[in-house]
Amino acid sequence: DQQVKQNSPSLSVQEGRISILNCDYTNSMFDYFLWYKKYPAEGPTFLISISSIKDKNEDGRFTVFLNKSAKHLSLHIVPSQPGDSAVYFCAAESNYQLIWGAGTKLIIKP
Amino acid sequence: KAGVTQTPRYLIKTRGQQVTLSCSPISGHRSVSWYQQTPGQGLQFLFEYFSETQRNKGNFPGRFSGRQFSNSRSEMNVSTLELGDSALYLCASSLDRTDTSPLHFGNGTRLTVT
Repeated sequence: DQQVKQNSPSLSVQEGRISILNCDYTNSMFDYFLWYKKYPAEGPTFLISISSIKDKNEDGRFTVFLNKSAKHLSLHIVPSQPGDSAVYFCAAESNYQLIWGAGTKLIIKP
Repeated sequence: KAGVTQTPRYLIKTRGQQVTLSCSPISGHRSVSWYQQTPGQGLQFLFEYFSETQRNKGNFPGRFSGRQFSNSRSEMNVSTLELGDSALYLCASSLDRTDTSPLHFGNGTRLTVT
């Protein structure tokens, strides 16, 4: 039973355009959501997070939106850059435990 | 500040053997978590240690165990290895497991079981 789902295994976006990565969850008890980015042969690195009491959090080119009624969050990257090519994981936290999605591979085309 | 260090980077073992992986957290971090990553499966939570105590445990068999030392360094042990244990094992540390303390990951140990 996957509590956190990233339904798109991969996404290809033109450099300079907006990248939108999506994540759905089933457990309404999650109180915090995070996005991590992972390059090959490296561990994931923290990107941005959002508390369940908010619906938007912005950090530079990265914005995370949370729609609690739809149990959906998304990560927007504007503008997309070649260095953004990586695998992006969303994760949801409840009671000290993080539940992770399977990841979406983002490819930025020049 | 040095990052999270995992050793070894690569490991090849045969079925039935046991293996121990090591993780040194960022200085000052007291929480250490372990994850298994397999293709298409995301990160599966193994367990989390805080101040030498296992605070949380994922849904893995008892063959997977861990411990944390007084200096916060952690080890993970897998006994009676199976082919399906081949994966990237990631360790992550944080000051504590709170909303304002995101995880910092090491580069992982790639375990191959033949």
